[in-house]
Amino acid sequence: GEDVEQSLFLSVREGDSSVINCTYTDSSSTYLYWYKQEPGAGLQLLTYIFSNMDMKQDQRLTVLLNKKDKHLSLRIADTQTGDSAIYFCAERSSGTYKYIFGTGTRLKVLA
Amino acid sequence: GAVVSQHPSWVICKSGTSVKIECRSLDFQATTMFWYRQFPKQSLMLMATSNEGSKATYEQGVEKDKFLINHASLTLSTLTVTSAHPEDSSFYICSARDHRADTQYFGPGTRLTVL
Repeated sequence: GEDVEQSLFLSVREGDSSVINCTYTDSSSTYLYWYKQEPGAGLQLLTYIFSNMDMKQDQRLTVLLNKKDKHLSLRIADTQTGDSAIYFCAERSSGTYKYIFGTGTRLKVLA
Repeated sequence: GAVVSQHPSWVICKSGTSVKIECRSLDFQATTMFWYRQFPKQSLMLMATSNEGSKATYEQGVEKDKFLINHASLTLSTLTVTSAHPEDSSFYICSARDHRADTQYFGPGTRLTVL
């Protein structure tokens, strides 16, 4: 079945860039998403990318997709303490509205 | 932007009681809503797909008689945890699909604690 994997933890210093990685197995994935979850809260959509794109940039966020390797990454430039949260990648195939979420990466930003 | 609300935001109940959680789409109609469960420090697991006017579709391993889903209107889906037990304690998150934008919006979640 589908599987989405992420590294569990990432720690960076304030002002540095953060790169969160995600791998998935479903080759029919059409949409790939990045969500942010702060403690005790729901999910906030950060950005998404279509599978026919290689890169998408939105202010401090850059998403890179390597479809051949089924690898997705989220780069946060100039990371701030407010970026500390859990980041989930998720994939969805065309024709379905089921999201498969990754295991989540806990980002800790050190002042 | 589109907003999805959940009520209550948290609930504590005794073992054996039933708890109802509401999920509402506030400014769009949602023919399809989804219910997820998130255990501490784990990912979201899809429990079921809620379709307006028809029966919900449950994921493998989710007991439909224990997690009752009703999607009686285009803006409201409810999840009832029947005869709740401590192992049902979790964070329950719903999402609603806005077909106009082909986008899903997530609710803020409901934390259920069963004593």
